[in-house]
Amino acid sequence: GEDVEQSLFLSVREGDSSVINCTYTDSSSTYLYWYKQEPGAGLQLLTYIFSNMDMKQDQRLTVLLNKKDKHLSLRIADTQTGDSAIYFCAESLNDYKLSFGAGTTVTVRA
Amino acid sequence: DGGITQSPKYLFRKEGQNVTLSCEQNLNHDAMYWYRQDPGQGLRLIYYSQIVNDFQKGDIAEGYSVSREKKESFPLTVTSAQKNPTAFYLCATEGLRDTKNYGYTFGSGTRLTVV
Repeated sequence: GEDVEQSLFLSVREGDSSVINCTYTDSSSTYLYWYKQEPGAGLQLLTYIFSNMDMKQDQRLTVLLNKKDKHLSLRIADTQTGDSAIYFCAESLNDYKLSFGAGTTVTVRA
Repeated sequence: DGGITQSPKYLFRKEGQNVTLSCEQNLNHDAMYWYRQDPGQGLRLIYYSQIVNDFQKGDIAEGYSVSREKKESFPLTVTSAQKNPTAFYLCATEGLRDTKNYGYTFGSGTRLTVV
């Protein structure tokens, strides 16, 4: 079974902020990632955060990490139609493998 | 222009047939991975290789085989023993983390359909 959990769907109005949440189980994970997948394509790395950080901001993206609760979130400011995609949370495992969540499908409505 | 090339983009397999999916990279990455994606199930690891001539089973290796004879290439064979092979297959690579090249780089995927 998956060790990383995400809600499956999120609908957001264009221009609003999107917040995608993720919980993970391996407290020894050193890196946590967010990937984006557009229809019929591979996954694109959006951002990552080290486990010793609480927050990372990169343009419209803000990642928040609560290590105590093993909770990771991705906030997309000013959501655009091009942000419609599936977003995957992933945690690194000790043997250089990544464990992925099931993905959150984000739909941006006008 | 560095990247990962997966081919073909679409593949149709008859029952009982073996098929091979290609994954080639020119990123000079050591580690390569094969994932299977099914709707609503995320990505599941099939096989991975961290060095040439060595590979390890992932979580769902049954019915699949791989080889890693060259650093650049990590082909995946879907054998007739795989009873439900219809899925989207993704190849990924990763460079050494001490080079600060974090995260996987993914190919564009191969969609395999059993007919």
